[in-house]
This record gives sequence, structure tokens and C-alpha cells, in this order.
Amino acid sequence: NAGVTQTPKFQVLKTGQSMTLQCAQDMNHEYMSWYRQDPGMGLRLIHYSVGAGITDQGEVPNGYNVSRSTTEDFPLRLLSAAPSQTSVYFCASSYAGQPNEKLFFGSGTQLSVL
Amino acid sequence: ILNVEQSPQSLHVQEGDSTNFTCSFPSSNFYALHWYRWETAKSPEALFVMTLNGDEKKKGRISATLNTKEGYSYLYIKGSQPEDSATYLCAFSSGSARQLTFGSGTQLTVLP
Repeated sequence: NAGVTQTPKFQVLKTGQSMTLQCAQDMNHEYMSWYRQDPGMGLRLIHYSVGAGITDQGEVPNGYNVSRSTTEDFPLRLLSAAPSQTSVYFCASSYAGQPNEKLFFGSGTQLSVL
Repeated sequence: ILNVEQSPQSLHVQEGDSTNFTCSFPSSNFYALHWYRWETAKSPEALFVMTLNGDEKKKGRISATLNTKEGYSYLYIKGSQPEDSATYLCAFSSGSARQLTFGSGTQLTVLP
């Protein structure tokens, strides 16, 4: 079982560069989300989606774009990377996004922006 | 923005010791409380999801309790083992949106 697959695991960018973090799940989950993890802080929600074609903003959406063209994939785009976006990024999914459903996480992407 | 606090921030215990830590959350508009274990270089994995006041959940040597009226949950580990070393995250949902608010975690190190 692949579960939630994130790529790449590590990435170094220069300020102003763009990139896409990939996330795919094979569990037929409707809900997918992106979090960032910074030292001393809890996971913070960037964007989420409750199904194909539907996305919404979380707590810290600025500087990030998402789209959900299929149930399986939920890429996160950084259009113009900034040093403040240096962080560990996690993709997570659940069956329907109900608050009492556990989240399944990907293995994370460690991003450094110089 | 909801405030979810975890204490202590970090903890070192000897192998065989029992330990516990706390997650505090808003006591109003409670819907669910999650606990996750996050081992270094791995993905966070769900331990428990609790929804009812007074709920107790158990998985092997790990158990959790929930008090929604006063806004706290305890996670207990009985007879800690080195493989229990991880960061333990709690997350709160008020149910008003499909979002969880995470605490910053308790980092547990079990010394052999």
C-alpha cells in the first residue's frame, strides 16, 4: 500500500524560483491538505480540498497555490519562493474530511529557500 | 485562530518509566481531539481520535483520556521503551470547518 506519496523529499531553491510539490494518494480519499511544520510551532494548514475541483484556504495560504483536477493528486505550487517559505511540508488526506477522521500523512518535503 | 497547547515541550525518561503529557484546547465548540506520533524521518501516524467527554482509548502501552468540559487530554505511556521516542502531536477540531489545529508537540526521548 503506497498511501500518501510526496515528492521530492528535499529541495533547495533560490529566492524567486518556482516549484511544485507533488502529493498523490491511492486510498480514494476525498479530503487532501497541505501543512507546513516550523520549529516550535504546530503543523499549520496551508490549503485543503474536499474533492476534485474544490479547494479552500487554510491558516497560512499566502504565497502558495493549489489545484485538484483528480481525486488522487493535490500539488502545491510556490510561484516565487521566499526565505520565509523554508519549512517542512506535509501532505495529508482523509476519507471525507470529517473532523473525527484520522489523517494519513506523506513523508514530508524539506524545503530550503536561499 | 484556536489555541492548542502541549506540555511539556520535551521530556527525557528512563526505559521502563511511565510518563504522561498534556494537551489543552478550547472547551467551547468541541468536536474531536486527535493524537499523532511522529518519529524522526517518518510521517506522523494517528494514535487516537476522541470525540466524547470522558473517552478513554488504549493501544498497547499507550492510552489517552479526554475532558472536554475543562479542555484537556492526557496521553499516558506505561513502561516506556526506546522505540517510544518520538514527538507526540495533538490536534483539536471545533467541527466548524474541515480543519484541525495542531499543538507544537511533546518530544519524548526514552533513554536505555
